[in-house]
Amino acid sequence: ETGVTQTPRHLVMGMTNKKSLKCEQHLGHNAMYWYKQSAKKPLELMFVYSLEERVENNSVPSRFSPECPNSSHLFLHLHTLQPEDSALYLCASSQDENRAPYGYTFGSGTRLTVV
Amino acid sequence: DAKTTQPPSMDCAEGRAANLPCNHSTISGNEYVYWYRQIHSQGPQYIIHGLKNNETNEMASLIITEDRKSSTLILPHATLRDTAVYYCIVGRSQGNLIFGKGTKLSVKP
Repeated sequence: ETGVTQTPRHLVMGMTNKKSLKCEQHLGHNAMYWYKQSAKKPLELMFVYSLEERVENNSVPSRFSPECPNSSHLFLHLHTLQPEDSALYLCASSQDENRAPYGYTFGSGTRLTVV
Repeated sequence: DAKTTQPPSMDCAEGRAANLPCNHSTISGNEYVYWYRQIHSQGPQYIIHGLKNNETNEMASLIITEDRKSSTLILPHATLRDTAVYYCIVGRSQGNLIFGKGTKLSVKP
């Protein structure tokens, strides 16, 4: 366990379904991130939250909707996805620190299959 | 786009040192060099980072050239469990890390 927990580990959903991915950290970090990793592609940064405010949205389609109710929890709400959205979705957290860099702590990811 | 260049793959014999190179010729003065690795089907794992000086921790050593245009991650005694994709990333202290394709390290018996 890394300290960042993602649920579910695996998810199969139809294109008309609505589902949510959950990420939880109790590391005292103030920044949380969603990444997407498709087969044979580098990790793609999707969203960044710092102190519960979204600070970056990397041109992600609106069928992906993030939510950060507090600094320990991050959700990714999914609706009307496409098969090409099938991927490993990774959550990460880090200390939001101006003065020094800190490494990211990643969860184990949710393997999403859209059918 | 990733600001680093790494070989796509490398092999290493078990028990030997694994030296993974990375070029980052456009690195800025306030950017750090980070190394992560990703074992199959898991999330990336932070290994080490540095700015100018060489760094060492329980996992690895990081050697940064004086001009900071390249670096080498050293795993002193590679084991089969070190087989993974290794990512070299440059970023500012609050920068969002952009991952490239990394180097697939295969440690062989």
